[in-house]
This record gives sequence, structure tokens and C-alpha cells, in this order.
Amino acid sequence: KNEVEQSPQNLTAQEGEFITINCSYSVGISALHWLQQHPGGGIVSLFMLSSGKKKHGRLIATINIQEKHSSLHITASHPRDSAVYICAVVSNTGNQFYFGTGTSLTVIP
Amino acid sequence: DTGVSQNPRHKITKRGQNVTFRCDPISEHNRLYWYRQTLGQGPEFLTYFQNEAQLEKSRLLSDRFSAERPKGSFSTLEIQRTEQGDSAMYLCASSPAEGPEAFFGQGTRLTVV
Repeated sequence: KNEVEQSPQNLTAQEGEFITINCSYSVGISALHWLQQHPGGGIVSLFMLSSGKKKHGRLIATINIQEKHSSLHITASHPRDSAVYICAVVSNTGNQFYFGTGTSLTVIP
Repeated sequence: DTGVSQNPRHKITKRGQNVTFRCDPISEHNRLYWYRQTLGQGPEFLTYFQNEAQLEKSRLLSDRFSAERPKGSFSTLEIQRTEQGDSAMYLCASSPAEGPEAFFGQGTRLTVV
């Protein structure tokens, strides 16, 4: 069993749609990252959360520590949002990251 | 500082050859991680350095794999006698001494033919 589970694995949306990607984890964490990976491999950290909610532009990330669950929302989706979104948690020992398998998002014009 | 830098970006090698990848972390980040990512999967942990000390190694890191961080700055990951199953993206990340913040490199894509 993976320490981090993401859903859905694949997501296709029409431009303008509201998108939600979910992440559940089973280990004790100090923080959770939402990462974006475009074709070609480079990973960018979109958010780092330890509680509550963060917003950056059209992206919103929330975390519920008690339920061990986080969501990434994209409002007014755009084709340039097409990428793989990966949830990663930092163990509360601080030495280990655990990654979800990613959600491949395709936004169609 | 331009972030975490990995070289080369792409490497194609014949089966049985040795390859070496380099990671330059963000200056003064004393924690450095190597991950391997195969197609359609999330990154898998390989090894972790705190300064020059290699503190954790995954069982994925067979005896053909070795990683070093000789002066606590850049790190190298060497794969000896490469196999086709080694084909993957090798990612490096660095973190400051305290806190869960992490910065990722662009990765090195290895293709073993």
C-alpha cells in the first residue's frame, strides 16, 4: 500500500472547468507539497501546506490534517494547466518524502 | 541562485556501460535527495544526504548504484553495468537544514538501449 494515494489518475476537462485533485496519506507529516510536472520532467512546487488553505492565482490547495487529506483545485482551467500533478508529503522525521503516483490532467480548448 | 541543477538532462547509453549524473543543489542546502521516476509513476526515493553523510538508502539502490556528496555540496549518482530496467528519470532535490521546503531539479532522463 502506498503511503500517498491520489485520485483521479487521469483527468480530462474542457477549458474553463473547475478541477479538483485529491490526495490522501497514511503517515505522520510535517508538510504536504503539491507539485506540477510538465512533459520533459521538470518538477515545480506549487504549494507547501501544513494546515488550512493556500491560494495562488487560479490554484487553491487545502489540507485537513485530522482526516489526512488534501485537495488541489484549479478554477477556470486552461490548456496550459495540462500537466501531471503530484502530491508529496514530508514525513514528520523530516528525512523522507513520499509521493503519490500523480494525476495526469489534460485541458481541452 | 538558479535553483537545483542536474546534468546531463538526457543520457542514452548502451546496456552494460557505466553512467554518472551530477546534481548541484541550492547553495547552503545541506539536505539532498535522489529519486527515480519511471513512466506513469510518482518519484521513488533512492537516497538521502545530510551534508556529506549518506544517511538513508532505499533497497531500490542495488550494488550497481552508488551516490556520493564528497564535500557536502554537489552530488553524483553512478550506475554501473546499466540494464534496460534502469531507464528512468533521475531527480534530485535539495532542502535547507530545517523545515519541509524542497526544491527539485529538472531531472536526468536515462535511456538504456
